[in-house]
Amino acid sequence: QSALTQPASVSGSPGQSITISCTGTSSDVGSYNLVSWYQQHPGKAPKLMIYEVSKRPSGVSNRFSGSKSGNTASLTISGLQAEDEADYYCCSYAGSSTPYVFGTGTKVTVL
Amino acid sequence: EVQLVESGGGLVQPGRSLRLSCAASGFTFDDYAMHWVRQAPGKGLEWVSGISWNSGSIGYADSVKGRFTISRDNAKNSLYLQMNSLRAEDMALYYCAAGSDAFDIWGQGTMVTVSS
Repeated sequence: QSALTQPASVSGSPGQSITISCTGTSSDVGSYNLVSWYQQHPGKAPKLMIYEVSKRPSGVSNRFSGSKSGNTASLTISGLQAEDEADYYCCSYAGSSTPYVFGTGTKVTVL
Repeated sequence: EVQLVESGGGLVQPGRSLRLSCAASGFTFDDYAMHWVRQAPGKGLEWVSGISWNSGSIGYADSVKGRFTISRDNAKNSLYLQMNSLRAEDMALYYCAAGSDAFDIWGQGTMVTVSS
């Protein structure tokens, strides 16, 4: 099972919106509405930001939103803030053989 | 406070074994599937293994299948990972995570270094 493909880096100015893509295949992203997104600051554990494609856990800012079209999922951060600077990983369920596959990760830089 | 605390990491020679543990507190452990996720230094996240709430369903990444064994003890609120035949490429920070369709709760990780 290959890792999902994400852009290595995305940047934006404070207040802007950015979108991170996560491209998989018809065996993972395209087959299941079980895409999740994680934020990881340097030296810290990952934090769940989005689950089941577009749902936000309690306590996560509504500036974070998720969507999916075909084999590609996306995470949009609106009103970019300095604290959003971190690495972001997508993850998809991929069936019973190897259930979960992560994306390659995207470094978000706030200019 | 909801918490996962990993332990058992350390320096081990290639080919040797290590057992990781994860202690859960602050939530109902047997309501959750549990997982191990690892991150090699400077690299991305890799799902390693997962186990359902009642140990009835278990899965492994191809990279560890046949070498690693996941288990849990709901009476002790604990998760384990027995790692045998360790390789250099297994060197990573190993996170314990809780959740079914997503990884809701994460520990801080325990480092496994494989080197002679």
